[in-house]
Amino acid sequence: GQQLNQSPQSMFIQEGEDVSMNCTSSSIFNTWLWYKQDPGEGPVLLIALYKAGELTSNGRLTAQFGITRKDSFLNISASIPSDVGIYFCAGRSNSGNTPLVFGKGTRLSVIA
Amino acid sequence: GAVVSQHPSWVICKSGTSVKIECRSLDFQATTMFWYRQFPKQSLMLMATSNEGSKATYEQGVEKDKFLINHASLTLSTLTVTSAHPEDSSFYICSARDFPNPRTQYFGPGTRLTVL
Repeated sequence: GQQLNQSPQSMFIQEGEDVSMNCTSSSIFNTWLWYKQDPGEGPVLLIALYKAGELTSNGRLTAQFGITRKDSFLNISASIPSDVGIYFCAGRSNSGNTPLVFGKGTRLSVIA
Repeated sequence: GAVVSQHPSWVICKSGTSVKIECRSLDFQATTMFWYRQFPKQSLMLMATSNEGSKATYEQGVEKDKFLINHASLTLSTLTVTSAHPEDSSFYICSARDFPNPRTQYFGPGTRLTVL
């Protein structure tokens, strides 16, 4: 099925550094969601975006819904060891029962 | 955020047996639930969309007779893996949309199925 282009695929950063990851799509979305998944767990919703240009924060996390409606980014500021995990972007093109389309994930490793 | 639970969290079964996995929305009504499968180090693969009171919609390549889905109430959907084989071993995750805000989707903790 359709997938989003999520990058980078993996990142190794020092504790305290800022992180940025993004997703792009060839089609327009009206919803962007960012999730974090720890090993052996289900994805946990971090931030939900519903409007083009929307910028939303959740603690040290900030995500934006691109104005073209074809991209979104997630920033993590001042990373800490517990930020380690896989981050997935997901999008949907309409508000009906259309399933989410997922990116392939960004694997984040934080070096203390 | 809304809470979705799954049971069991892990299961080991013999080849040829059937396994049922339950997915519940604990504090909201979910008219639509989704079942995903995830292989190690890969993204989530949608198997089917489950609508309360109607038949599930399966993604291409997913055998509906092998993966039986029942969404009998607004808070419960079940996935039954029938005649399981080792290649069915995987991490199965359900997801539900919050009724008041159907654009937001929450995931359960997942069920690790191992078929011997």
